[in-house]
Amino acid sequence: GDSVTQMEGPVTLSEEAFLTINCTYTATGYPSLFWYVQYPGEGLQLLLKATKADDKGSNKGFEATYRKETTSFHLEKGSVQVSDSAVYFCALVKGSGNTPLVFGKGTRLSVIA
Amino acid sequence: EAEVAQSPRYKITEKSQAVAFWCDPISGHATLYWYRQILGQGPELLVQFQDESVVDDSQLPKDRFSAERLKGVDSTLKIQPAELGDSAMYLCASSRDSSGNTIYFGEGSWLTVV
Repeated sequence: GDSVTQMEGPVTLSEEAFLTINCTYTATGYPSLFWYVQYPGEGLQLLLKATKADDKGSNKGFEATYRKETTSFHLEKGSVQVSDSAVYFCALVKGSGNTPLVFGKGTRLSVIA
Repeated sequence: EAEVAQSPRYKITEKSQAVAFWCDPISGHATLYWYRQILGQGPELLVQFQDESVVDDSQLPKDRFSAERLKGVDSTLKIQPAELGDSAMYLCASSRDSSGNTIYFGEGSWLTVV
């Protein structure tokens, strides 16, 4: 079945460091790919998405590029802030309709001043 | 900005008791999802509605869980009887259609079973 694999956390970075969180997927067809963020005690918020190969999703300084050849959607940010501390989830959905999001296990990021 | 509303935010219940969660999706959103998120893991789909009809409940433990969306708007998820392993966050989400491309989540309902 469809699945998403993320790098295990926790990831601890100093403020202004470069962030990469790896995500790879297994799916038939051409899924859409997403990154969601969950701040402590809250629900999930959509961070960015890409719906076809080579698309780049971006938001709030975060970026991820849909790489079909490597089945990857790695999340990057050039300079993290303390306020970026959260859990990040990679997810996919097939484009065939009536299909739910399939999530990875999440990667906890802690940014220290 | 419209939001998915959930209640209660926090619930502590004893094993074998009944518990219910309520969700009000964003107005006009035909598709509603209930996910369960166990601490330290990603959310997993329990049930998906399209209007008032169940589209997917293959992962819903039907011996103890039930979900309804009678008028195709708000929804209730019930657990009876609750077990210790049900302790988790229950997330409701909605989207305008069933393509899954823009799904909005509520803040979740934390359940602790003691």
